[in-house]
Amino acid sequence: GQQVMQIPQYQHVQEGEDFTTYCNSSTTLSNIQWYKQRPGGHPVFLIQLVKSGEVKKQKRLTFQFGEAKKNSSLHITATQTTDVGTYFCAGHRGSTLGRLYFGRGTQLTVWP
Amino acid sequence: DVKVTQSSRYLVKRTGEKVFLECVQDMDHENMFWYRQDPGLGLRLIYFSYDVKMKEKGDIPEGYSVSREKKERFSLILESASTNQTSMYLCASSLDLAGLDSSSYEQYFGPGTRLTVT
Repeated sequence: GQQVMQIPQYQHVQEGEDFTTYCNSSTTLSNIQWYKQRPGGHPVFLIQLVKSGEVKKQKRLTFQFGEAKKNSSLHITATQTTDVGTYFCAGHRGSTLGRLYFGRGTQLTVWP
Repeated sequence: DVKVTQSSRYLVKRTGEKVFLECVQDMDHENMFWYRQDPGLGLRLIYFSYDVKMKEKGDIPEGYSVSREKKERFSLILESASTNQTSMYLCASSLDLAGLDSSSYEQYFGPGTRLTVT
């Protein structure tokens, strides 16, 4: 079954509004990664978090990894039309030979 | 610059045909992966390989097989294509976990092959 849940599935915002997507795993993850897929493109790695409670920022994007290493969030402040795309979270589990467990993604639409 | 290439961007095949999708990476990565992507279902792992001639089933291996004879190449085979295998197929590669710190496991994706089975 689905091991990494991601919500919401879709989010429509007006340019300038904030956006958050949430990721929850049924098991502890060794790390969490975030990817962005632009329309018509392929997923591209954004960032990785490893430590419990870790917070990282990339300009308007803030990434968090939960204390129990089972959940994560991506927050975008003041969205722009260039933020359009699908955001995926994905995590490694300790002994899974490098495979990532992906959430189903959140598709973000930004109205100008 | 790292690169993952896939043999075709678009492919149209008939039901029952044997279909080969090829993926090549130039980063000397140990791990390679095949996913299919369908609307609302995200990325679903079909098979992956952590070494030459090694393979592991992912979440949806039925109807597929894989081959990895060389480190840089990972092939996905649809033994007898069916219409429910119409999808976007994405290949990815990554470095191996062993011996590295945890900041090096990102996956690099190819551009994808959109397969239509009629």
